[in-house]
Amino acid sequence: DTAVSQTPKYLVTQMGNDKSIKCEQNLGHDTMYWYKQDSKKFLKIMFSYNNKELIINETVPNRFSPKSPDKAHLNLHINSLELGDSAVYFCASSIPGRSYGYTFGSGTRLTVV
Amino acid sequence: TQLLEQSPQFLSIQEGENLTVYCNSSSVFSSLQWYRQEPGEGPVLLVTVVTGGEVKKLKRLTFQFGDARKDSSLHITAAQPGDTGLYLCAGASGNTGKLIFGQGTTLQVKP
Repeated sequence: DTAVSQTPKYLVTQMGNDKSIKCEQNLGHDTMYWYKQDSKKFLKIMFSYNNKELIINETVPNRFSPKSPDKAHLNLHINSLELGDSAVYFCASSIPGRSYGYTFGSGTRLTVV
Repeated sequence: TQLLEQSPQFLSIQEGENLTVYCNSSSVFSSLQWYRQEPGEGPVLLVTVVTGGEVKKLKRLTFQFGDARKDSSLHITAAQPGDTGLYLCAGASGNTGKLIFGQGTTLQVKP
């Protein structure tokens, strides 16, 4: 049973297109996140939802819009894709609290051409 | 802005050698976590340290949280090829669950 699953694993698309990445967790966690990992492997938070409520919205272009239909799902929609959006996007979930770590999905490698 | 400086960024060693990875910040964190990431996969949590001065062991891996909760280290004894991967430290502060990640240390252990 996959704990945090993301689809698709790979996404190749042209500049200007709109695309979505889906994420689902079956751990019963209240909090879900989207992180972006750049070509140097640096992970940076984009968004966080706690029980369907947006609680973190970092400095991300408004072309990126997260949606959480319920606490087990957090999707990421990206409009008007740009070359610089190419990266690996990770979904993660956790139990709120300082001693609990994240469970990450296996990532979505987005390539914009 | 909270930053975590991780060093070294790259490490290539022979099987059986020992190594230490450092994670430093000028900020105080409520907890510090270490993850290991393999190619094509997401990071996997190794350990969380919460108390200043805390030491945790996971087989040949020893994790330490600094007394002031601003730094941490990961020591691997007798490294094996299976230890190869990207090691990431991450600090938590506040109650949002947000983690600040270090730049990562790519470890290669040669047989």
